[in-house]
Amino acid sequence: DQQVKQNSPSLSVQEGRISILNCDYTNSMFDYFLWYKKYPAEGPTFLISISSIKDKNEDGRFTVFLNKSAKHLSLHIVPSQPGDSAVYFCAASAGETSGSRLTFGEGTQLTVNP
Amino acid sequence: EAQVTQNPRYLITVTGKKLTVTCSQNMNHEYMSWYRQDPGLGLRQIYYSMNVEVTDKGDVPEGYKVSRKEKRNFPLILESPSPNQTSLYFCASSPSRDYINEQFFGPGTRLTVL
Repeated sequence: DQQVKQNSPSLSVQEGRISILNCDYTNSMFDYFLWYKKYPAEGPTFLISISSIKDKNEDGRFTVFLNKSAKHLSLHIVPSQPGDSAVYFCAASAGETSGSRLTFGEGTQLTVNP
Repeated sequence: EAQVTQNPRYLITVTGKKLTVTCSQNMNHEYMSWYRQDPGLGLRQIYYSMNVEVTDKGDVPEGYKVSRKEKRNFPLILESPSPNQTSLYFCASSPSRDYINEQFFGPGTRLTVL
């Protein structure tokens, strides 16, 4: 039972345009969400997070939006750059202090074309 | 340099031959965890450890063992590997269970069980 789902295995965008990566979850106990980025032959690296008390968190070119009623979050990258080409994983946790249990989605391969 | 290291990076073995994948972190982190990444399934947690001598099962612990005798090391043991354990394995650490957004991942170990 996949509690965190990323329905798009891949996404291709042009450099300078917006990239929107989507993530849905089913467990209503999840209240902290994270995005990780992964390059080939490297481990995932933390990108941005959001608590359920917020609906938006911004960090430079990266913004995460959370819609609790729809159990949906999205990552916006503006403007997209070729160096953003990577696999992006959405992850969720039940509580900020529940660092022991992160549930990941399947990942979305983002390709930014020059 | 602060990092999580894993060894070996690549391993091909045969069914039933016991193996250990080592994980070490030099950041004095309390929390450590093992994940496996499989196509279409994302990252799934195998085991985690809150601190020395404290370990617990994740989502897919069957066929694996771990130990945490020292803070810096968290080896993953496959007593009798099987082909369905062919996967990409990641070790991760964070300062404590409270800082889930600060999980640092190792570079990964590609395991093939024939």
